[in-house]
Amino acid sequence: DAGVIQSPRHEVTEMGQEVTLRCKPISGHNSLFWYRQTMMRGLELLIYFNNNVPIDDSGMPEDRFSAKMPNASFSTLKIQPSEPRDSAVYFCASSSTQHYEQYFGPGTRLTVT
Amino acid sequence: QQQVKQSPQSLIVQKGGISIINCAYENTAFDYFPWYQQFPGKGPALLIAIRPDVSEKKEGRFTISFNKSAKQFSLHIMDSQPGDSATYFCAARSTPLLGRYAGNNRKLIWGLGTSLAVNP
Repeated sequence: DAGVIQSPRHEVTEMGQEVTLRCKPISGHNSLFWYRQTMMRGLELLIYFNNNVPIDDSGMPEDRFSAKMPNASFSTLKIQPSEPRDSAVYFCASSSTQHYEQYFGPGTRLTVT
Repeated sequence: QQQVKQSPQSLIVQKGGISIINCAYENTAFDYFPWYQQFPGKGPALLIAIRPDVSEKKEGRFTISFNKSAKQFSLHIMDSQPGDSATYFCAARSTPLLGRYAGNNRKLIWGLGTSLAVNP
């Protein structure tokens, strides 16, 4: 299996622009998690889905952030408009009901100037 | 109550020494406690995990010690090696949200991480 796939790996954008991060979970996994990692705040869960349904979005910082999972093999995290304080590494992870382990993707490093 | 407190924030150990990282929690309903390891430029990966009905679990040089009454658990790395230099996160699996998803792959509550450096 190719593991969790994220794109792009790096994104540099200007403040005010829309940013879309993409994730393909491991085939057969039915839960998907979006995380943000910074030096100051560590690893923060933004939102997670089970069977494509959002279960807990309490970690989404504000209305500028939105996430979708239109099918079992694809999810997006969108930031509109982006701000410099959104600069971070964003991880996507997936897991299955049978195995609790969360498998992380390689992350997207976002820089907003 | 939905917090996991991890210490120390950073740790320096000599090669061959023992690395110890501690975590504490408040919610007695947490039912699964994993440790994840993260190397620079990579996502975290599961290292070892324990359930609260077991006091210790060992896998190679890595051991989790679990104290249910004290609500604490720790990671011990024996014979630490330079290749163990990484950031380590403890976590606890959350309780089901009332009326919401209660399956096994619920979200994890994460500690803030410990940066471990093993000197050669």
